[in-house]
Order: sequence, then structure tokens, then C-alpha cells
Amino acid sequence: ETGVTQTPRHLVMGMTNKKSLKCEQHLGHNAMYWYKQSAKKPLELMFVYSLEERVENNSVPSRFSPECPNSSHLFLHLHTLQPEDSALYLCASSQDTSGGETQYFGPGTRLLVL
Amino acid sequence: RKEVEQDPGPFNVPEGATVAFNCTYSNSASQSFFWYRQDCRKEPKLLMSVYSSGNEDGRFTAQLNRASQYISLLIRDSKLSDSATYLCVVTLTDSWGKLQFGAGTQVVVTP
Repeated sequence: ETGVTQTPRHLVMGMTNKKSLKCEQHLGHNAMYWYKQSAKKPLELMFVYSLEERVENNSVPSRFSPECPNSSHLFLHLHTLQPEDSALYLCASSQDTSGGETQYFGPGTRLLVL
Repeated sequence: RKEVEQDPGPFNVPEGATVAFNCTYSNSASQSFFWYRQDCRKEPKLLMSVYSSGNEDGRFTAQLNRASQYISLLIRDSKLSDSATYLCVVTLTDSWGKLQFGAGTQVVVTP
């Protein structure tokens, strides 16, 4: 086990729904990340949090709203999504954001937007 | 131009054979390099870091060529369990831990 958990593992939602993805890390790390992985494409970094402060927003549409209430938990709030947002959403954590640190990934939430 | 490019494969490899593949990166300021492994419908996991002098971890050997801006991964004595997608990852300094991922190279080891 990687020490990073994500719920739900699968999610189907309509374009008018609001849902939230949850990530929890049990590794004592200070940095947490959200990534999007679409079929046959590289992982795309969405957000970076360091010590609960958002330090990077990688040009993500406002229909994705992250929240980091403490260093162990990270949420991704979803509203009015589009079908092209269907993808695997991966959470990761690392000791810090120095760049050379290993990132540990959760199992992901597989999202389908209808 | 993609920041990190990989041959998507698949590389079909007989069990016990050797397979090698490269990854090229576009930013000469890239500082740290990694290979991650991703099994089908699973999350990526770190396979190994790549050091300037090259490094080996069991049957896996990674090399870095800064002049030509590529890294390589070689797998010796392939096992069926080596079947996976191998992701090339680079980072810049002062990049808030931002990892640049390649799209991955698929390796299929056959009996």
C-alpha cells in the first residue's frame, strides 16, 4: 500500500451534478497534488498544495475547485463538468515540493461524466 | 513540441530477453529524472531515480545523457510481471515539485 487513499474509486455524474473527490495521505508529507490522466495522454498536473497552501494552479477550469483543510487531506470539488472531463483523477503526496522528492500516488478516482 | 516524449510501444518482449527504450526531454534545465511504472488500471509507482552516472537496481539499468537530453531504461531477463507502462518523468528546480510526465512506453512480456 502506498499510504495514499482516494474515495470514491469510481464516479459517474451528470453535467449538472456537484460531487467531491477525497484524498488522504498517511505518510506525514507536506505536499499534495491533483493530477488528471486521460487515455493515452501524459499525466497532467492540476494543483499543488504545500503545507495546506495552494502553490500552483495549472490553468485548470474553475469547474474544478480544490480544498486542502490540513496537510493530510485534499479534496477536489466538481461542478458542471463536461464529458471531456471524464478521466482518472490521481492524488499524490511528497515530503515537500523540492522537485527531487518521490511522489506517492493514490489509486485514483475513475470519473465518467455523462 | 512535447516536453517529455516517449515511444508508446508496445514493446513485445519474450520472457528472459532484454528490452531497452528511451525518453527525450526538451528543457535543458531539467534537474531530476525518474522512471515510474504504471500497471493497467493502477496508479503510477516509482521504479527508480536516474542519476547522472547511471544506476542499476537489480535487472533494471537507467542512464542519463544530458548532452542529448534523453534517459534510458534497460530491463534484463524480462519477467512476465514486468509487463506495464513505463513513465518517464523529469522535474525542474524551483518548480514546486512539478513532475513532467511522458505518455509512457508499454512493455508486454510474453511467455
